[in-house]
Amino acid sequence: DAGVIQSPRHEVTEMGQEVTLRCKPISGHNSLFWYRQTMMRGLELLIYFNNNVPIDDSGMPEDRFSAKMPNASFSTLKIQPSEPRDSAVYFCASRINEETQYFGPGTRLLVL
Amino acid sequence: QKEVEQNSGPLSVPEGAIASLNCTYSDRGSQSFFWYRQYSGKSPELIMSIYSNGDKEDGRFTAQLNKASQYVSLLIRDSQPSDSATYLCAAITGTASKLTFGTGTRLQVTL
Repeated sequence: DAGVIQSPRHEVTEMGQEVTLRCKPISGHNSLFWYRQTMMRGLELLIYFNNNVPIDDSGMPEDRFSAKMPNASFSTLKIQPSEPRDSAVYFCASRINEETQYFGPGTRLLVL
Repeated sequence: QKEVEQNSGPLSVPEGAIASLNCTYSDRGSQSFFWYRQYSGKSPELIMSIYSNGDKEDGRFTAQLNKASQYVSLLIRDSQPSDSATYLCAAITGTASKLTFGTGTRLQVTL
């Protein structure tokens, strides 16, 4: 299995631009998670999908952030408009039920 | 109070020594606990999971769980320089069964 796939791996954009991060979970996994990691705040859960349905989005910072999971094999995290404070590494992870959670390689986002 | 707490370190141990990493959690209902290792610039990878009170051993790694004290630890025996990384403690918390992470402890194994 290829593991969790994320794209792009690196993104540099200017403040105010729209940013879309993509994730393909491991085949057969029914839960998908988006995390953000910074030095100051560590690894923060943004949103959690189970069977393509958002279960907990309490970690989404504000309305500028949105996430979708149109099917079991694809999810997007969108930031519009982006701000410099959004600069971080964004990880996608997936798992089956409450078993081991596997992380993707992450997307390094820099907003200038 | 954070749901999962760890000492940020750095924890420095000499090569060959035992490294002891500690973690506490606040949700008494948590049943599943995990230790992840994260190298700089990489994604977290699972080292150990533990669900029952007591010790669980896997090679040089031993996870310990004490639900009464709400305490989880990871022991690394015969520490190697390649063990130098940040170790993240995580627990499945809340009714939504989400995995909540501590801020991580940075381990440095010195020659």
